[in-house]
Amino acid sequence: ELKVEQNPLFLSMQEGKNYTIYCNYSTTSDRLYWYRQDPGKSLESLFVLLSNGAVKQEGRLMASLDTKARLSTLHITAAVHDLSATYFCAVTGANNLFFGTGTRLTVIP
Amino acid sequence: SQTIHQWPATLVQPVGSPLSLECTVEGTSNPNLYWYRQAAGRGLQLLFYSVGIGQISSEVPQNLSASRPQDRQFILSSKKLLLSDSGFYLCAWSMGINTEAFFGQGTRLTVV
Repeated sequence: ELKVEQNPLFLSMQEGKNYTIYCNYSTTSDRLYWYRQDPGKSLESLFVLLSNGAVKQEGRLMASLDTKARLSTLHITAAVHDLSATYFCAVTGANNLFFGTGTRLTVIP
Repeated sequence: SQTIHQWPATLVQPVGSPLSLECTVEGTSNPNLYWYRQAAGRGLQLLFYSVGIGQISSEVPQNLSASRPQDRQFILSSKKLLLSDSGFYLCAWSMGINTEAFFGQGTRLTVV
């Protein structure tokens, strides 16, 4: 079964700092997704990465995909409080998406 | 544009009572449909998925069941709820296998 691991699980960072969240997966997949979940809310799609070397950026978030290393990163630049949420990566498998455990990000003013 | 509706948003049910959660999708045809469960502070667990009317695949054995009576309707049911069924239930749809999934607003179920 496809396994998806994220690290760190919890991340507390100060406003203005940079950090990277990592997503590793266990078998070959050429599609990877990043989602954001605010407390008590549903999941919101952030990025869709469809090929090796894909890089997508939206505001202070940038996601990349290395299919050979089976690794995706979500880089946060100059964090602001509004980015506080849980971030999930998800990888396509047979007939469904396999989700990582999530990274709970807290940005401290 | 496509939209997904899920209800109710919140539900408190006693142990042993039945359950019915409903999800509908608008603006698309023949979507793949999914039910996920998220325990408090945890990741997402896929419960069921469906690629067409009457076609249900179960990922986790449990006392829950799913049905797809219409193309854009997906229902999660239980005959008798357990305490361990408490959680946040999310319905999702995608346009095909291995494509981006879009989520409903979720149902927070508390079994007491």
